[in-house]
Amino acid sequence: NAGVTQTPKFRVLKTGQSMTLLCAQDMNHEYMYWYRQDPGMGLRLIHYSVGEGTTAKGEVPDGYNVSRLKKQNFLLGLESAAPSQTSVYFCASMRAGGGTDTQYFGPGTRLTVL
Amino acid sequence: SQKIEQNSEALNIQEGKTATLTCNYTNYSPAYLQWYRQDPGRGPVFLLLIRENEKEKRKERLKVTFDTTLKQSLFHITASQPADSATYLCALEVSGGYNKLIFGAGTRLAVHP
Repeated sequence: NAGVTQTPKFRVLKTGQSMTLLCAQDMNHEYMYWYRQDPGMGLRLIHYSVGEGTTAKGEVPDGYNVSRLKKQNFLLGLESAAPSQTSVYFCASMRAGGGTDTQYFGPGTRLTVL
Repeated sequence: SQKIEQNSEALNIQEGKTATLTCNYTNYSPAYLQWYRQDPGRGPVFLLLIRENEKEKRKERLKVTFDTTLKQSLFHITASQPADSATYLCALEVSGGYNKLIFGAGTRLAVHP
């Protein structure tokens, strides 16, 4: 079991460029989440998905889009990157069925936008 | 809006002592609260969950308390070890279901030999 994996681990973009971050999980989890983590701030939820083909906005969705075409994958897209999107991005997944379960996190992607 | 506060200053303690971390929240009454551990360059790892009707939860050397009147959770590590050095995150469930969480910024713990 690889758990939750994220690709790539590091990326540097120029302002205005686009990119897609890939999250994959092999635990057959229904729920998946994208967070960003900035210094001095807690993890903030960007978008989430409660099943294949579904997505919903979180706390800070502006400038990002997501897709969940397959149950095991959750993609985060930046159409036109901005320096304010420099951050560490974490993906997480969770089994459906109630709030007493835990979220499993990936190792993160460190993104720098110049 | 919901707000979570954790002590932003690092907590330095001697090996063998008990570490106590604090999580305070406002403007919300969560059904449960979770604690995660995060090591540098890694994703958070779940440690404990405590529900609103539970006062205390234990797991090995870890203990969590949840005071819904004070809107505060305390996280204790007894007999601390240098390997316990990490950042500890408090997280509250957000209304609307699907286990959406709001995280505190975390408290860094350093356990010295």
